[in-house]
Amino acid sequence: DGGITQSPKYLFRKEGQNVTLSCEQNLNHDAMYWYRQDPGQGLRLIYYSQIVNDFQKGDIAEGYSVSREKKESFPLTVTSAQKNPTAFYLCASSAVVSNQPQHFGDGTRLSIL
Amino acid sequence: AQSVSQHNHHVILSEAASLELGCNYSYGGTVNLFWYVQYPGQHLQLLLKYFSGDPLVKGIKGFEAEFIKSKFSFNLRKPSVQWSDTAEYFCAVTANTGTASKLTFGTGTRLQVTL
Repeated sequence: DGGITQSPKYLFRKEGQNVTLSCEQNLNHDAMYWYRQDPGQGLRLIYYSQIVNDFQKGDIAEGYSVSREKKESFPLTVTSAQKNPTAFYLCASSAVVSNQPQHFGDGTRLSIL
Repeated sequence: AQSVSQHNHHVILSEAASLELGCNYSYGGTVNLFWYVQYPGQHLQLLLKYFSGDPLVKGIKGFEAEFIKSKFSFNLRKPSVQWSDTAEYFCAVTANTGTASKLTFGTGTRLQVTL
């Protein structure tokens, strides 16, 4: 089955630590996205990538970093500079055409110890 | 930049009641519009989408939405809700630029359907 796999499902971070969230897709999509979901705030875009080795900042990129070395993979690193990292993180992918819907993974819930 | 407003944050309905969830967007150009649903414990799924043509679009599970360009609205409707429709609903918009671009989401509406 084609889809998006996010891991881990739950992640705990100590203060001052960087953590990396994994996102893999086998839908052959060129575009991939990272969103952060907070209660009452909907989904906010962190970073997106339309092609390998290229990515753009979204609305709330500060304290996050990404890489896109392979078409299938778009890992997100939450750095120690992100002061409020506790949230639900969603990865998505789509074809590189604006009228194609995004497909979402099951998400990773990050908490601070 | 585009923005999306969902005015109903929490809606409680009895089974068989009719549903209408409001969605308004702001953007000066042509847009693509989406409704996504997130059932408890599940990933975000596409309910329906509008790109062009008939402004009344039908989606899965009996949902429909009407694009009213003059009102910048894309309200979601269902004539008779079921308990299984309990979920969070998100309206989203992206500029119709021909290439993948940022999806802007509303803050979501939590629908609770009671038996």
